[in-house]
Amino acid sequence: LAKTTQPISMDSYEGQEVNITCSHNNIATNDYITWYQQFPSQGPRFIIQGYKTKVTNEVASLFIPADRKSSTLSLPRVSLSDTAVYYCLVKLYDMRFGAGTRLTVKP
Amino acid sequence: EAGVAQSPRYKIIEKRQSVAFWCNPISGHATLYWYQQILGQGPKLLIQFQNNGVVDDSQLPKDRFSAERLKGVDSTLKIQPAKLEDSAVYLCASSSGLAQKETQYFGPGTRLLVL
Repeated sequence: LAKTTQPISMDSYEGQEVNITCSHNNIATNDYITWYQQFPSQGPRFIIQGYKTKVTNEVASLFIPADRKSSTLSLPRVSLSDTAVYYCLVKLYDMRFGAGTRLTVKP
Repeated sequence: EAGVAQSPRYKIIEKRQSVAFWCNPISGHATLYWYQQILGQGPKLLIQFQNNGVVDDSQLPKDRFSAERLKGVDSTLKIQPAKLEDSAVYLCASSSGLAQKETQYFGPGTRLLVL
């Protein structure tokens, strides 16, 4: 079972770039890395997914080194509305969430 | 496109009572998931269906929890009898397929309080 490790919490200020790193040492060849965002009283929402190198969409970037044993979610210029819990998931067919990283954006 | 629908949104019951939750996935999505999320924790997968077949129910407490997806569309999750520790949010999600690269779409959840 590919176990993921993330920081429990992070604080940031509006306008800053936030990088959240997830460790997944036992990632398998077929595994994709997927990040979700969850606001209070809502279900998780897909942010970004990648397999290797770098992926960018309108919300975030995902950086994956060559060994794929970690990944970094990058949120550019965060705002107060980015305060949420962020989860990284790694495991083919096995959607098991860890505790996630609670990001608090301050004014 | 309509999202994942769940009902009820809130439920309060006493321990030892029974409760059922309903989920309607996104149209055409073959894979359906039920999660339990206890306050302060990440969602815990209870059961995963592919069409009307069970793919993974290894974390479902089968002595009290049951789930079905008879026609491969809607699903119900039942708890009988409920315990205090079952107080949580029950999330339903769906995806178009089984592959991990398929994005999961989550419903708003049902918040259960067991007294």
